[in-house]
Amino acid sequence: NAGVMQNPRHLVRRRGQEARLRCSPMKGHSHVYWYRQLPEEGLKFMVYLQKENIIDESGMPKERFSAEFPKEGPSILRIQQVVRGDSAAYFCASSLSQGNQPQHFGDGTRLSIL
Amino acid sequence: TQLLEQSPQFLSIQEGENLTVYCNSSSVFSSLQWYRQEPGEGPVLLVTVVTGGEVKKLKRLTFQFGDARKDSSLHITAAQPGDTGLYLCAPNLAGTYKYIFGTGTRLKVLA
Repeated sequence: NAGVMQNPRHLVRRRGQEARLRCSPMKGHSHVYWYRQLPEEGLKFMVYLQKENIIDESGMPKERFSAEFPKEGPSILRIQQVVRGDSAAYFCASSLSQGNQPQHFGDGTRLSIL
Repeated sequence: TQLLEQSPQFLSIQEGENLTVYCNSSSVFSSLQWYRQEPGEGPVLLVTVVTGGEVKKLKRLTFQFGDARKDSSLHITAAQPGDTGLYLCAPNLAGTYKYIFGTGTRLKVLA
């Protein structure tokens, strides 16, 4: 499967713990986007990264959230000291380049905070 | 002011019926994508439209991009239960790389 791969599919954390979500883009794609989806809501843009660079993090909370896309390996979305309100589905998408290029999505990580 | 509006929000129809869902905005888009999302899965790209007035067909699905590139529609002919899902439009605002996602139309096709 050469599609966008996200893991884990489901993640349960207790309040105060850290959550790490991983995303491997489609083969050949160097642009990664993270979105958050709450039940009955649309996808909300969080951050846009290229290899080793954060291009736009305007949709990401300033505290506790960080993202990276290293030269080697998957993109990581990290949430520190999780709170109940962080419970959501987090989706990653990748594209060949920016602009009008279509974004292809993974199946998401469903984060539940106890 | 809502940037993007999808309608209807919910639609329940019988197998074999036709339907149209809409995606509207007051902003001009450089392109627009339609996705379908099923429960527990990620959105799956159906089509990308780029040119004003463009019409694309995907089997029983017909996608149209408005002449002014501010709106789009998706028409499904002879709907089947397998068409059930959340249909999302995601325009790319002119001059940006960002896609804006609507809240979608939840379609249920009853057998």
